[in-house]
Amino acid sequence: QKEVEQNSGPLSVPEGAIASLNCTYSDRGSQSFFWYRQYSGKSPELIMFIYSNGDKEDGRFTAQLNKASQYVSLLIRDSQPSDSATYLCAYRMDSSYKLIFGSGTRLLVRP
Amino acid sequence: NAGVTQTPKFRILKIGQSMTLQCTQDMNHNYMYWYRQDPGMGLKLIYYSVGAGITDKGEVPNGYNVSRSTTEDFPLRLELAAPSQTSVYFCASSYDRGAAGGSGETQYFGPGTRLLVL
Repeated sequence: QKEVEQNSGPLSVPEGAIASLNCTYSDRGSQSFFWYRQYSGKSPELIMFIYSNGDKEDGRFTAQLNKASQYVSLLIRDSQPSDSATYLCAYRMDSSYKLIFGSGTRLLVRP
Repeated sequence: NAGVTQTPKFRILKIGQSMTLQCTQDMNHNYMYWYRQDPGMGLKLIYYSVGAGITDKGEVPNGYNVSRSTTEDFPLRLELAAPSQTSVYFCASSYDRGAAGGSGETQYFGPGTRLLVL
C-alpha cells in the first residue's frame, strides 16, 4: 500500500467551479499535512499546511483534515485557468524530518 | 533574497561519469533537503541536513553523497552515473523541522536540475 494516495487525474473543472482534491495516507502517526502546487516544469510551492482536524481557509483555498479517516483534502473555490497545475499532497510524522509525498493530482480548469 | 538556487539547470551525463549538483540558500535556514522527482511521480528524499556538518540519508540515498560545510551550501554528488539516475533534482530548505502549529517547517524549493544519463 502506498503511503500517500492521490488520484492522478486529470481533474477537469470549468472556470468558476469548486475543485476538490483528495488525499489519503496510511500512517496514523502523521502530524503535519501539506498541499503543494507544481506547474509543469517548475518546482513545488506551498499552498496550505494543516495540523488540526477540521478546516483551514486561506483565500480561495480550504484544506480539510480528518485524522480518524486518514484523509486530507483541498478545495479551490472560484477555480481559475491559472490554477491548472499538479497538486501534491505530503505529510510529516512528528518524529521525522521527512516529508512523504503523493504522486500528485493534475487539475485542469477549462475557460 | 534569491531564496534557493541550483546549478546547473540541465545536464547530460554519460554512464559512469560523476558530477556535483550545487544548491545554495540565502535565508539562513538550518534544514536542507535533496529530492528527486521522476516523471509523473512525487518527490523522493535523497539526503537531508539539519545543520552544518550534519547530514543523514533519506529514502533513496544509494548512488549519491552530500556534504554540508556551511549553512548556505548543500551540494549533491553523483558518483558513477547510471540511467536510473535520470530525473529532476530539487533542493529545498526550511527554517526548522517545525512544531505542530508553526510555519517554520515550510520547505522552499529551488528551480531544479534536470539530469539525463545516457
